[in-house]
Amino acid sequence: DTAVSQTPKYLVTQMGNDKSIKCEQNLGHDTMYWYKQDSKKFLKIMFSYNNKELIINETVPNRFSPKSPDKAHLNLHINSLELGDSAVYFCASSKGEVGYTGELFFGEGSRLTVL
Amino acid sequence: AQKITQTQPGMFVQEKEAVTLDCTYDTSDQSYGLFWYKQPSSGEMIFLIYQGSYDEQNATEGRYSLNFQKARKSANLVISASQLGDSAMYFCAMREVNDYKLSFGAGTTVTVRA
Repeated sequence: DTAVSQTPKYLVTQMGNDKSIKCEQNLGHDTMYWYKQDSKKFLKIMFSYNNKELIINETVPNRFSPKSPDKAHLNLHINSLELGDSAVYFCASSKGEVGYTGELFFGEGSRLTVL
Repeated sequence: AQKITQTQPGMFVQEKEAVTLDCTYDTSDQSYGLFWYKQPSSGEMIFLIYQGSYDEQNATEGRYSLNFQKARKSANLVISASQLGDSAMYFCAMREVNDYKLSFGAGTTVTVRA
């Protein structure tokens, strides 16, 4: 039973299209994240939700919009895709108590290729 | 400012030998967690080991140990008895007590030679 699952695993699409990536976790965690891993493998936080509330919103173009319908789900919608959006997008989850410094559990990643 | 620094972009190690991956961090918090993750060529992020800032003992998990030197702000990963399956990218990360996210270093690629 996968703890953090993302779909789809691969997306290939044309510039200008809109796409969504879905994420679900069954760990009972309060906090979920989206990370972007670029072509140089650098991992950068994009967004985080804690109990459906947006708590981290890094400098990301407005074309990216996260949505958390409940604390077990976090989706990422990307409008007007650009070549530079090609990357691997990781969803992750964690316990969310104040003062907690434990690990994040990652999904398998969704590789987005924009042509 | 970069919170996590990994200065070794790539390393080669002979099978069955030990390898040390360097990581230094920057924080003014007293409470934080340090992590190492492994990313094989298949792409998933695998959690390896955790060290809390108040832990007095160095963390160990099987063949992985974390050499924690708090005064030097260093959290090096030691992989003992390397195996071919250890070939991967390794990321050091930190989570500060007042922050929900993990901040990652740039990663070190390890290649194990037979």
